[in-house]
Amino acid sequence: AQKVTQAQTEISVVEKEDVTLDCVYETRDTTYYLFWYKQPPSGELVFLIRRNSFDEQNEISGRYSWNFQKSTSSFNFTITASQVVDSAVYFCALTPRGGLIFGTGTRLQVFP
Amino acid sequence: EAGVTQFPSHSVIEKGQTVTLRCDPISGHDNLYWYRRVMGKEIKFLLHFVKESKQDESGMPNNRFLAERTGGTYSTLKVQPAELEDSGVYFCASSQVSGYNEQFFGPGTRLTVL
Repeated sequence: AQKVTQAQTEISVVEKEDVTLDCVYETRDTTYYLFWYKQPPSGELVFLIRRNSFDEQNEISGRYSWNFQKSTSSFNFTITASQVVDSAVYFCALTPRGGLIFGTGTRLQVFP
Repeated sequence: EAGVTQFPSHSVIEKGQTVTLRCDPISGHDNLYWYRRVMGKEIKFLLHFVKESKQDESGMPNNRFLAERTGGTYSTLKVQPAELEDSGVYFCASSQVSGYNEQFFGPGTRLTVL
């Protein structure tokens, strides 16, 4: 079975704090892709990152970083020095062949 | 370049009525996807078109849902007859080359069935 679990329903932090959003996935496929999407209050889903199952290299993009570990089936997302504009719902997703399998999302609230 | 557009943005209908949702993908994107999020649940995949062909429709909930993509351009998703549990947000996404590429999402259509 394919499944994505985001155990953190909601996280609240104060601006400038670092925050990590957890994502654990299940799949029997050897080739798959993992994604993170952001859904700000306006409602649209914004692509953040894609990672394939053969590339475990961590990635950093500005204040965002991602840690992919196949050994624990995790693809965690860290925001460093959070800002109010980071407030949104963040979704982790998995696909073996096209249609995305989403987690339930983590609502992040960053307070000034 | 225009993004994925969806129409209408909101639709309120009564149980038993028919509703048709439209999605216009990014120009040149052969892959088109439909998803929906019902209240309090995760976003669920419905189906995947490659051009005008249905590549994967394993997520379609039942035969009250009919998706078409005539000519491989825009797509429609018809719900007939609508039931209360069909209420939610319906998202459309498109991608350029293959199903593994980044999917660009539309703003969604919020459907309320009374």
